[in-house]
Amino acid sequence: QSALTQPASVSGSPGQSITISCTETSSDLGDYNYVSWYQQHPGTAPKLIIFDVSNRPSGVSDRFSGSKSGNTASLTISGLQSEDEADYFCTSYISTTATTTWVFGGGTKVTVL
Amino acid sequence: QVQMVQSGAEVKDSGASVKVSCKVSGYSVSELSIHWVRQAPGKGLEWMGGFDPEDGVTVYSRDLKGRLSLTEDTSTNTAYMELSTLRFEDTAVYYCARDRLHCTNGVCIRYFDPWGQGTLVTVSS
Repeated sequence: QSALTQPASVSGSPGQSITISCTETSSDLGDYNYVSWYQQHPGTAPKLIIFDVSNRPSGVSDRFSGSKSGNTASLTISGLQSEDEADYFCTSYISTTATTTWVFGGGTKVTVL
Repeated sequence: QVQMVQSGAEVKDSGASVKVSCKVSGYSVSELSIHWVRQAPGKGLEWMGGFDPEDGVTVYSRDLKGRLSLTEDTSTNTAYMELSTLRFEDTAVYYCARDRLHCTNGVCIRYFDPWGQGTLVTVSS
């Protein structure tokens, strides 16, 4: 069983920085690749904000940054703004000897205090 | 620029099937790798399946294999997701998304972009 674990919620005040973790756990020794992050506001489709661990698509604010250390990827939002209040999901492509599959983290609700 | 527009909301009885469409513009659907992701009310995203551009085959989530069928119609440039033997727990918003693969000098990146607007499927118990 492969999984990506995220904290259920993270909060911060305007102007602060917050970090959301995404930890890979697998009992089948799969390879995790292609980590990306998505932002989802209520009632809307997910929007790509980080791909390949740390790359931002054109048009995404540079306040969003990604990194990875060991089996944990992280999304950092700097200079937190009210419009950053949303759900954030990480995803990774997992390949094992038995199968290949995409897995999403459970999602993190970001609240701007 | 690829755009994807999905069909409207559906209400189905338990045990029935549902077929959701994802009409593509800006690119030929046969040249895209379309995946489907669903989101139950108040829950996270769940990958369902799609065409794997690296392996060249359609792959399905183990949890849905046997009930899920992913097809495309090149004449209308549309991808379809059909889920059979619906259960109450299949109530969700269903999204199509492009699996974008870039490879340069043997190094590849992949991500889902863009996404369709979503289709709510409600299954009555």
